[in-house]
Amino acid sequence: GAGVSQSPSNKVTEKGKDVELRCDPISGHTALYWYRQSLGQGLEFLIYFQGNSAPDKSGLPSDRFSAERTGGSVSTLTIQRTQQEDSAVYLCASSLVTGVSGVTQYFGPGTRLLVL
Amino acid sequence: AQSVTQLDSHVSVSEGTPVLLRCNYSSSYSPSLFWYVQHPNKGLQLLLKYTSAATLVKGINGFEAEFKKSETSFHLTKPSAHMSDAAEYFCVVNPSSNDYKLSFGAGTTVTVRA
Repeated sequence: GAGVSQSPSNKVTEKGKDVELRCDPISGHTALYWYRQSLGQGLEFLIYFQGNSAPDKSGLPSDRFSAERTGGSVSTLTIQRTQQEDSAVYLCASSLVTGVSGVTQYFGPGTRLLVL
Repeated sequence: AQSVTQLDSHVSVSEGTPVLLRCNYSSSYSPSLFWYVQHPNKGLQLLLKYTSAATLVKGINGFEAEFKKSETSFHLTKPSAHMSDAAEYFCVVNPSSNDYKLSFGAGTTVTVRA
């Protein structure tokens, strides 16, 4: 079946502009995660959605970052007033269940963001 | 708290020779452990995972890993490297149940020489 998809695959923007990154999880997966992969920080957790529960936003680096998940499926990560340090690959993952030890997260190909 | 240390940032092997990627973890609980692979400009693909069952875990593409609690290690091996194994490999820990935040190692880049 189809895996996790993300769009755009690449995004170049100017400092100060807002960007939106989209993630389509695997159909039927209730849990959705966003991670950031950057040269200096490696892979780090950003935010987590599970069903209709309030999202865990504890990994968001600043209030310029926000995310939503509409209808329990598609998610959008928004970065306002982008800064050069926001340049990274943003990875989305989904899983069938959560709260169970060892649940496998399936990753999308990522969106490569470059802030000039 | 938990963390993951990948002991080698880069490993270079000849095609047909064994591959060993080392990973140590620290965890306050009985963790679940994963190895993911990332090919250039691709997403992360799960190679294998350990979830407190058999300590020797077999994954895709001939990879396997052994969980050693006494050594807090989860090293990844493959008996014979293939050119297509050139990629970046991440050791990942997921603490026990109810914790969904994956903690990633820094990654090991594997180069395969013809």
